[in-house]
Amino acid sequence: SYVLTQSPSVSVAPGQTAIISCGGNNIGSKSVHWYQQKPGQAPVLVVYDDTDRPSGIPERFSGSNSGNTATLTISRVEAGDEAEYYCHVWGSSSDYREVFGGGTKLTVL
Amino acid sequence: QVHLVESGGGVVQPGTSLRLSCAASGFSFRSYAMQWVRQAPGKGLDWVAVIAYDGSNIHYADSVTGRFIVSRDNSKNTLYLQMDSLRADDTAIYYCAKTKTRAVAGTVGSFDVWGQGTLVTVSS
Repeated sequence: SYVLTQSPSVSVAPGQTAIISCGGNNIGSKSVHWYQQKPGQAPVLVVYDDTDRPSGIPERFSGSNSGNTATLTISRVEAGDEAEYYCHVWGSSSDYREVFGGGTKLTVL
Repeated sequence: QVHLVESGGGVVQPGTSLRLSCAASGFSFRSYAMQWVRQAPGKGLDWVAVIAYDGSNIHYADSVTGRFIVSRDNSKNTLYLQMDSLRADDTAIYYCAKTKTRAVAGTVGSFDVWGQGTLVTVSS
């Protein structure tokens, strides 16, 4: 089964750029979606189809995807961005599977 | 405003059953495939099941196949998850989520709206 690998944690100072990675075999051939989840809340979609942002999501959130790594970049990080971030792909062409990465905890120092 | 509200969670003993509901509002529920995703305490997101807009196509995660059944009533704008033979490792918050597509033929894309979740605890 398809596996997505995320680093457990990333720490950045306010105003800096956070880079959150999601690794998977030839993930560049898949559409990657990213969710933000704050403690006690439901996930929120922040990037879909590798690079697109839903309405209401700040331009500071951007995504890219190539080769074996997809990336969520958060520019000018704010305290309110502190959360868990999950990547997500449709994992299979032979049988239906939705796959999530293990999550990355973004800490704003 | 698009809204999903789950209900039906609770504390149950191993081997018993529970039915979750997800009430949708603010969008054309009958036009979209819907998902169930769960999250064990302190853990990550875990996909459970998907159902096409008209219930014609359904898929389950291996961990729940044969025990869980997803269904929908488009006349009531409601999604359901019937959970039988519950086990301790089914303990989780269960979220329903809306997709952007009708059918389930390959990827259904991202999950653009999530409910607040309902907690299921399986314990003796």
